[in-house]
This record gives sequence, C-alpha cells and structure tokens, in this order.
Amino acid sequence: GENVEQHPSTLSVQEGDSAVIKCTYSDSASNYFPWYKQELGKRPQLIIDIRSNVGEKKDQRIAVTLNKTAKHFSLHITETQPEDSAVYFCAATFYSGYALNFGKGTSLLVTP
Amino acid sequence: DAMVIQNPRYQVTQFGKPVTLSCSQTLNHNVMYWYQQKSSQAPKLLFHYYDKDFNNEADTPDNFQSRRPNTSFCFLDIRSPGLGDAAMYLCATSSEGADSPLHFGNGTRLTVT
Repeated sequence: GENVEQHPSTLSVQEGDSAVIKCTYSDSASNYFPWYKQELGKRPQLIIDIRSNVGEKKDQRIAVTLNKTAKHFSLHITETQPEDSAVYFCAATFYSGYALNFGKGTSLLVTP
Repeated sequence: DAMVIQNPRYQVTQFGKPVTLSCSQTLNHNVMYWYQQKSSQAPKLLFHYYDKDFNNEADTPDNFQSRRPNTSFCFLDIRSPGLGDAAMYLCATSSEGADSPLHFGNGTRLTVT
C-alpha cells in the first residue's frame, strides 16, 4: 500500500504538557485520516478523524490538523494525563477508500 | 452491544499445523478486514472484503487465505504456520470502506511452537 510515515516513534512528556505527533502520506487521493490509540494488549480504538475537506478538527483535549498541499497531518493532545500513555497510530486511506495504511506508531509516555 | 468478536483470544499451534481464526460482527458492516500486528509494529493489512468481493494485498503470503461465507463471519486460514507468523491478528469492520471508522475486534494472539 501507499506509505504513511509517522514521527516521532517515541515521545515522553510530563503530565499537563502538550504532545504532538506528525504524519505524512504519499497518495494524493487519500481523503480520510483517522488516529487510533492502542493501549498495551488491547485493540486499536479510534480517537479522532479528519476528512480531506476539513483543515482542523477538535474534540476536547485532542485536535487534528491536515495540510493537503503538503500531505501531512498532525495529532495534538493538550493537558496530557497519565492515561493518555499508549501507542498512537495515524492512518490514511488508499485503494480508493477501501483500505487504510497505518503509520508505524508513536509510543507516548506521560509521566506524573 | 453491536461489536466485532474474535475467537479464540489466544491460539497456540504447532509449526506447519493449519489453523483457522474466526471473526464475527453484529454491526452489519459491508467491509471486513484482517490485519496482522507484530510486537511494537503497526497493523499490516492482509485482506479485505467489500461484501463478497475479496481483495488480497500484494505482499500477503500465499500461506494465508480468507473466507467470508456471509455478512457476519470472516475466517483467516493459515495453511502452514511458521515461527514468523506468530503475531496478533486483528479483524476489523467498516460500514462503507476505509473512509469510515474501523471497528476492531480484540484480536487473536497466535503462538507457533
């Protein structure tokens, strides 16, 4: 599938600080960009998503921004809490929207 | 609750012994996916079905096959498991394709001895 690159691979922040994770994609036809949170031993769960006709979306402490021209999108978590500690995956559609390609993940650690 | 159910949660098989993993959904979603996830890696797409239309990823080994006998069920068959096939296998569904949210099952962790 098409490439989705994600950075950083690990991120450690103190409780209350902000965390930013960035992804780039290669398929200009990609039109849907979800973010999944996966806690240890559990399934990935959708936390926020954005479509190509929107530049920014916010849900409480979580926001996602999309720059279609530059083909990159970012996850922003404000006022981080220890329960935010998990692996976060970005993803982008390919195959004309039938499948998702995931980034390699960012392991976020929020220390009290 | 509508959900995606995978059985078993843990599966141990011997090297070369065929194994089948199962997935069922009560969401009535058209699309079903099988992902392989190895430790500390991203989920890797193996197959997806849009209704009965089967799509195989180009780099999915021939050792892996899938069946979707009806809307609710999907199976992953590993014909001759190797040690490198040990992983978490995640089933997921979406209502109309990957541009709608994926709903993942809890996964089956496969161990090959």
